[in-house]
Formats: sequence, structure tokens, C-alpha cells
Amino acid sequence: DAGVIQSPRHEVTEMGQEVTLRCKPISGHNSLFWYRQTMMRGLELLIYFNNNVPIDDSGMPEDRFSAKMPNASFSTLKIQPSEPRDSAVYFCATQLAAYRERSNSGANVLTFGAGSRLTVL
Amino acid sequence: KNQVEQSPQSLIILEGKNCTLQCNYTVSPFSNLRWYKQDTGRGPVSLTIMTFSENTKSNGRYTATLDADTKQSSLHITASQLSDSASYICVVSALGASKIIFGSGTRLSIRP
Repeated sequence: DAGVIQSPRHEVTEMGQEVTLRCKPISGHNSLFWYRQTMMRGLELLIYFNNNVPIDDSGMPEDRFSAKMPNASFSTLKIQPSEPRDSAVYFCATQLAAYRERSNSGANVLTFGAGSRLTVL
Repeated sequence: KNQVEQSPQSLIILEGKNCTLQCNYTVSPFSNLRWYKQDTGRGPVSLTIMTFSENTKSNGRYTATLDADTKQSSLHITASQLSDSASYICVVSALGASKIIFGSGTRLSIRP
């Protein structure tokens, strides 16, 4: 398995432009998470999908951010319009089981993609 | 409030030395605790996962401990290598709630 695949790896854009980040989860993983990481705030959960359904989007900073998961093998995070303060590394992570389980099995381990580094000028 | 606090914030040690990173949490009800290693420019990679019934878990030169009573965990690295230079993130999941709480990480630098 190639792991969690994110694209693009790097994107530089101008303020006001639309940005779309993409994620392909590990086959069979039914939970998908979008995180944002900055030096100041560390890793922040933006949104979480379980079986393609958005479960918790309370971390999405504002209406400029939207995420979709049209099927089990693809998710997008869109920022429109982008602003300089959106500059960060955006990670997609997936796991086999919903993290409500009290388990130390591999199913409860988040596997992260390599991240998409976004710079908004 | 569910929180995960890590210390130290950063640490520099010489190659070959041992070190211990700390994680204190207030997450309740507790489900599991994970340590991740994040190399510069890469996504975090899981090192260990522990539930409330586990006290110690090893992964090569990495040994994690968990005290569910005091809500503390540590990650001990033995005979450090240059490749251990990374950020180490403690992650705690709450049972029955849609929350995974990340610590802010410890940035470890190994000097030759």
C-alpha cells in the first residue's frame, strides 16, 4: 500500500485564490481526518469523516474552508478565498476504525500523509 | 477541559545518550495514548499506542510508559542516534467522544 497520498506537496498562491488540497486514504480505512499544522498552534483538527460522512467539522476555522469526501477513496479540502494566515502544512490522516474504541490495535493508529505545504502570499 | 501537555518543549543531547520525554494529560474518559515521531517536512508516524491497562510498551530503542492513575506518560529513547532528531508528539484519545487531542510536541535534536 502506498499509504495516505496527498497532493499537491507544495502550493504557493496569491491571496484571494482558491486552493484545493486532495487526499487519497489507505484502502479500507473508513475514518479520514484533515489537520492543519503551524509553528504557533501545532496540529489542529479541522474536520473528521467516518464512512464518508462528516462527523465533526467544529475545527474548520470559517466558511472559507470546506471539505468533501464523495467516496471512500478521495477527499478534498478547499479554501476559497485564501488568505495569508491560511499558510500552513495541511495533513490528511486515516485510520481503520472510528476512534471511539478502547483499543490498542493497529486499527486505532492514525496514518498521516506527507502533507501539503501551502503558502499564501 | 481535555488537554495534553508535553515537556520539555525542546531538547538537545549528544549522540549515544539517553533521554526521556514527558506527557501529562487531562483527557477523560481515557481511551488510548499514542506517541508519534515527526521528521522535518514529513507527516507524523506512530511509534506506540497504549491503553489504560498497559504500563510499558517498547518499539526498538523507544520505550513508552503510561501511568493511568497520575495521567502521565513518558517516552524513553535509548542510545540516541542522529536520525532520532525530530518532533515527538503525544496524542490522547477520549473514549466515546469524537476527540483526539494532540500535545504541542517536544523538538529533539541529537548532536554528533
